[in-house]
Amino acid sequence: NAGVTQTPKFQVLKTGQSMTLQCAQDMNHNSMYWYRQDPGMGLRLIYYSASEGTTDKGEVPNGYNVSRLNKREFSLRLESAAPSQTSVYFCASSEPGRETQYFGPGTRLLVL
Amino acid sequence: GEDVEQSLFLSVREGDSSVINCTYTDSSSTYLYWYKQEPGAGLQLLTYIFSNMDMKQDQRLTVLLNKKDKHLSLRIADTQTGDSAIYFCAESLNAGNMLTFGGGTRLMVKP
Repeated sequence: NAGVTQTPKFQVLKTGQSMTLQCAQDMNHNSMYWYRQDPGMGLRLIYYSASEGTTDKGEVPNGYNVSRLNKREFSLRLESAAPSQTSVYFCASSEPGRETQYFGPGTRLLVL
Repeated sequence: GEDVEQSLFLSVREGDSSVINCTYTDSSSTYLYWYKQEPGAGLQLLTYIFSNMDMKQDQRLTVLLNKKDKHLSLRIADTQTGDSAIYFCAESLNAGNMLTFGGGTRLMVKP
């Protein structure tokens, strides 16, 4: 039982490049989330998926797209990376009605 | 809108108690959480409290909730160097649902 896994761990992009961050969970959770973490700002929700087949915008969705590929996987795509998207990205999953979200180890992204 | 605020930094000596404070603005918050983040790692849930509770104790951790003042605190008794980390408070309307995080408090424990 690996919990929530994320790939890659680190990535350096040039401005304008695209990439997809992968997230998978093996806890059979319905809900999955993408957050970004910036110094002094805590975590801010980018997108979430309440169940397979649904996605909704969070607090800071601009510049991102997501895909809930199946119940296990929830990917985050940057179509044209910008330096302002330099951040640490966390994926999380939860089961509605249960008290906790489980977080992955994070992806550290640097956009030059 | 929702806003969760924490002080940025706290330094204590090993063996002392640490108290990390948090204020929130959404009076309809149902669950309030404390997460711990160690360097280079993801967030780990430490404890949570339901909004109809005033206090929750779990080993060295004590959570106090003052719903009238919208103030949440985390007390760590007998703080150890392994407690050095960033601590985030968070709120949600429903269990397991979207979280709103504070900016995090960096706790430094000096030997």
